[in-house]
Amino acid sequence: DAKTTQPPSMDCAEGRAANLPCNHSTISGNEYVYWYRQIHSQGPQYIIHGLKNNETNEMASLIITEDRKSSTLILPHATLRDTAVYYCIVRVSGTYKYIFGTGTRLKVLA
Amino acid sequence: ETGVTQTPRHLVMGMTNKKSLKCEQHLGHNAMYWYKQSAKKPLELMFVYNFKEQTENNSVPSRFSPECPNSSHLFLHLHTLQPEDSALYLCASSQDLWVASGGAKMNEQFFGPGTRLTVL
Repeated sequence: DAKTTQPPSMDCAEGRAANLPCNHSTISGNEYVYWYRQIHSQGPQYIIHGLKNNETNEMASLIITEDRKSSTLILPHATLRDTAVYYCIVRVSGTYKYIFGTGTRLKVLA
Repeated sequence: ETGVTQTPRHLVMGMTNKKSLKCEQHLGHNAMYWYKQSAKKPLELMFVYNFKEQTENNSVPSRFSPECPNSSHLFLHLHTLQPEDSALYLCASSQDLWVASGGAKMNEQFFGPGTRLTVL
């Protein structure tokens, strides 16, 4: 399975965009990129996923580079409730396994 | 609320005790999962069930015994645990195993809040 690397922590001012990077340089053509987040004392929560194209939903945007070796999760207007650990996960199509890394601890500052 | 509930939320047990963790999903999903999250470690997949049948045991010690009586309920029976088994135990469910439906959103996993287990 492809591995991901993320910075261990980031700070973001409330109301500003939070850009969380993820490197997945060994990703192969049929592997999806998923993002989850885990707010303290809760289970992980799905945010967004993509394969090749950029994706946007009500929570976030996902930008995947053309060579697919990295991606960025964008929270357009971060709020204090977005403080959480964000996990970037690569999953092989046709399998159900997530390989969680240690994620990025995002702290949104008032 | 994700539609996945876990009880108890907190559990303290001795090494000789027997206890069970319960997970229930109200989403009509077919697949259920147990994960372990130790302090400062990534989530580890433990067991996977699909239509009540176990499809994965990720080399979990036999002191952890899962049970899936139906697609809505999943148990994790615990006996003679060790202090290093102290962790957050998370249950999740998904519509199907992703093998069936590729990368569709329907296969996102919905997690419960977890049971914080402390083994003394």
